[in-house]
Amino acid sequence: ETGVTQTPRHLVMGMTNKKSLKCEQHLGHNAMYWYKQSAKKPLELMFVYNFKEQTENNSVPSRFSPECPNSSHLFLHLHTLQPEDSALYLCASSQVWGPNENEQFFGPGTRLTVL
Amino acid sequence: AQSVAQPEDQVNVAEGNPLTVKCTYSVSGNPYLFWYVQYPNRGLQFLLKYITGDNLVKGSYGFEAEFNKSQTSFHLKKPSALVSDSALYFCAVRAGGRAAGNKLTFGGGTRVLVKP
Repeated sequence: ETGVTQTPRHLVMGMTNKKSLKCEQHLGHNAMYWYKQSAKKPLELMFVYNFKEQTENNSVPSRFSPECPNSSHLFLHLHTLQPEDSALYLCASSQVWGPNENEQFFGPGTRLTVL
Repeated sequence: AQSVAQPEDQVNVAEGNPLTVKCTYSVSGNPYLFWYVQYPNRGLQFLLKYITGDNLVKGSYGFEAEFNKSQTSFHLKKPSALVSDSALYFCAVRAGGRAAGNKLTFGGGTRVLVKP
């Protein structure tokens, strides 16, 4: 699991705060993903980046803003969140193609609480 | 649209007994199917996948899964469960082929509790 790291592991923020989640992968992958995992819903895909380009935005509210400066790093910028945004945010990476293209490797997640 | 159903929220099994976690899917064309496991306070870990070939797929930690095209199922199995197998298990699917992209759809998860 050290192949994909996420910081911070826990975050508590108010609705007017601005914060960022960071993900870094050390696996040489070229695709990165953000997922939201909450108690009431299955794992929800939020964003997909292939070769630093966003290829999927799963109707995510604009208060979540992703950034992928290179293939190894992925950020999720947060502003004016709502309490219902409290969840575990998971980052994952994979190869875009090749024999292991479908195996996604996940980070440990950031547990976000919005007050 | 693609979807995954895991009909059981929780499965209880005694240690040493066989374990089965059910998964059915819906996808256009040939499916790529996956199982992941999540331990408490951890991210998901890849267990096994079916892309093509033999319908019985063997994965990590003694787990295996059988692809059944006619029943659109991909049930996860382990012949003899361990207490350490207690975790949350996710089935996932995507449409086959490069044109379909790399978007996985996950099921709701099944919590497995193995009792000593």
